Amino acid sequence: DTGVSQDPRHKITKRGQNVTFRCDPISEHNRLYWYRQTLGQGPEFLTYFQNEAQLEKSRLLSDRFSAERPKGSFSTLEIQRTEQGDSAMYLCASSFSRGSTDTQYFGPGTRLTVL
Amino acid sequence: TQLLEQSPQFLSIQEGENLTVYCNSSSVFSSLQWYRQEPGEGPVLLVTVVTGGEVKKLKRLTFQFGDARKDSSLHITAAQPGDTGLYLCAGGREGFQKLVFGTGTRLLVSP
Repeated sequence: DTGVSQDPRHKITKRGQNVTFRCDPISEHNRLYWYRQTLGQGPEFLTYFQNEAQLEKSRLLSDRFSAERPKGSFSTLEIQRTEQGDSAMYLCASSFSRGSTDTQYFGPGTRLTVL
Repeated sequence: TQLLEQSPQFLSIQEGENLTVYCNSSSVFSSLQWYRQEPGEGPVLLVTVVTGGEVKKLKRLTFQFGDARKDSSLHITAAQPGDTGLYLCAGGREGFQKLVFGTGTRLLVSP
């Protein structure tokens, strides 16, 4: 039984560089979510996909952020021209839609440090 | 705007003690989930409650969803060091897929 996986687990980059994170959801799950969590806070929603369609984006997702889920399976989150304020844990979650709100299962996260 | 407030923010207790964590909101939620998170890891689901007044038990953990579906509580009986972690409540609302997370309660159980 494989849960949600994320790669890499840790990323250190210099300000201005681009970074890309990958998320592999639980195989039968059709919904995939990205959240961001800063130190001492709960996760905050960034965006979600149902199959390959990106259906909602938070205001937190600036123009420098882009997410894709090209075949409705894995997803990537790219941050261009990183800033120090982007340092956070980026969490991916997946669910199988059964109704209005589904139970979401989270991956281990990717911790980004921007120097 | 933080829609879900958790209290206390931090709790340090001795092994064997009981504790209750509260999750409160002025908004109605269609479901409420509790997660536990350890440092450097993602949140791990403990329970989902969907019906007002619902009570669920998971070994020494008891979860309750308020009658009006605006609040929830987590009670731990005879806490153990393995219960140490960050406890997060997260609410789902009708028609919205995203979860709104609480501020978190950091629990430390000492032997």
